[in-house]
Amino acid sequence: GESVGLHLPTLSVQEGDNSIINCAYSNSASDYFIWYKQESGKGPQFIIDIRSNMDKRQGQRVTVLLNKTVKHLSLQIAATQPGDSAVYFCAEKKTPPRSNDYKLSFGAGTTVTVRA
Amino acid sequence: NAGVTQTPKFQVLKTGQSMTLQCAQDMNHEYMSWYRQDPGMGLRLIHYSVGAGITDQGEVPNGYNVSRSTTEDFPLRLLSAAPSQTSVYFCASSATRRAEAFFGQGTRLTVV
Repeated sequence: GESVGLHLPTLSVQEGDNSIINCAYSNSASDYFIWYKQESGKGPQFIIDIRSNMDKRQGQRVTVLLNKTVKHLSLQIAATQPGDSAVYFCAEKKTPPRSNDYKLSFGAGTTVTVRA
Repeated sequence: NAGVTQTPKFQVLKTGQSMTLQCAQDMNHEYMSWYRQDPGMGLRLIHYSVGAGITDQGEVPNGYNVSRSTTEDFPLRLLSAAPSQTSVYFCASSATRRAEAFFGQGTRLTVV
């Protein structure tokens, strides 16, 4: 079954406000957690990732927080802009030791709509 | 540098027809994979490859075949299309198993 899931399928945000998109996971063996952005008619685009041994990672206008105690992952977008309107997916990556393999599992996605 | 290129962008098939979705990348990536995206279900892994000549099944492989004869190309074959295979298909590649995955623009397939 699905090992990552998002709390809310949709999120409406006022332009300029901060957005928080949440994701819960059940597999503690994942090595990385990744956020993707998918605009209409396009493929998913990598935003930011975080290793499982980290709590926080910051990028340009985005911050990912990982709470391993409650198995919760969040993506924070600062000063949300109209161009941030998209579907956001969390994903987990497992990289088994002594193997060349990896598995990437996606959640269902949250649709973010930015209001002008 | 085109990245990951998928063709065709749209396709309508009749039940029972076969076809091949093409995927090519020009980044010399070892890892390539195919996903299908259905409403409300995120992306699900169909097949993947960790290098030329090596393929393996993902989460939903039934009804699909793949091959990896070159590093650049990773075609996905539908042997006998069914309405349940109506979906948007994405191909992705990554340089290493820890590197980020780059996705193509997708192929929207409708089976009637």
